Amino acid sequence: QVQLVQSGAEVKKPGASVKVSCKASGYTFTAYYIHWVRQAPGQGLEWLGWISPNNGVTIYEQKFQGRVTMTRDTSISTVYMELSKLTSDDTAVYYCARSRVGSGYYNEYWGQGTLVTVSS
Amino acid sequence: DMQMTQSPSSLSASVGDRVTITCRASQNIATYLNWYQHKPGKAPQLLIYDASSLQSGAPSRFSGSVSGPDFTLTIDSLQPEDFATYYCQQTYRTPITFGQGTRLDIK
Repeated sequence: QVQLVQSGAEVKKPGASVKVSCKASGYTFTAYYIHWVRQAPGQGLEWLGWISPNNGVTIYEQKFQGRVTMTRDTSISTVYMELSKLTSDDTAVYYCARSRVGSGYYNEYWGQGTLVTVSS
Repeated sequence: DMQMTQSPSSLSASVGDRVTITCRASQNIATYLNWYQHKPGKAPQLLIYDASSLQSGAPSRFSGSVSGPDFTLTIDSLQPEDFATYYCQQTYRTPITFGQGTRLDIK
């Protein structure tokens, strides 16, 4: 069965970086995009971007350009999302989610979420 | 960016009720509109994709429709497990954007 398993909770200081992993199993890793979505406390869902595990192509939400980096390691079917220059506004649960390739995608499988807390 | 205006922001209903939630896009998004259910401490769950297609495993009491610029999620005969927050999502163009969410509470 399809599974996305994320790394554990993180506590970071303002200005630091965090790297969250998302390990995929149960399907052909390179055949689907992986998206990253976050939810800050009391807020809605916010999309950060996606990566194509096939070729490493990324699309980022412009708001996060320069601060977010998505990479993949095909040998272990894992995608990483690194967010730098953290502030308290980045405190959120971060989710990875799979979608088909191409337009009109939808996220039918999600990771369990990783809580990132930014606090001095 | 594509703005998704979702309404209402909150809704109180009883078990057995029929409820509708609406999402309107600021520009044409064809039918690239999805609906998710989100419960505290859990990952969002896809209910409807491409405006009106029921995701495998989602209960048939959930349905989606589109009329002009308005997309609607309908829940027939609310069940106790349906009380959650619902989000629409457009994937017509990046950046992908979500509606603000509709919190559905027990009356």
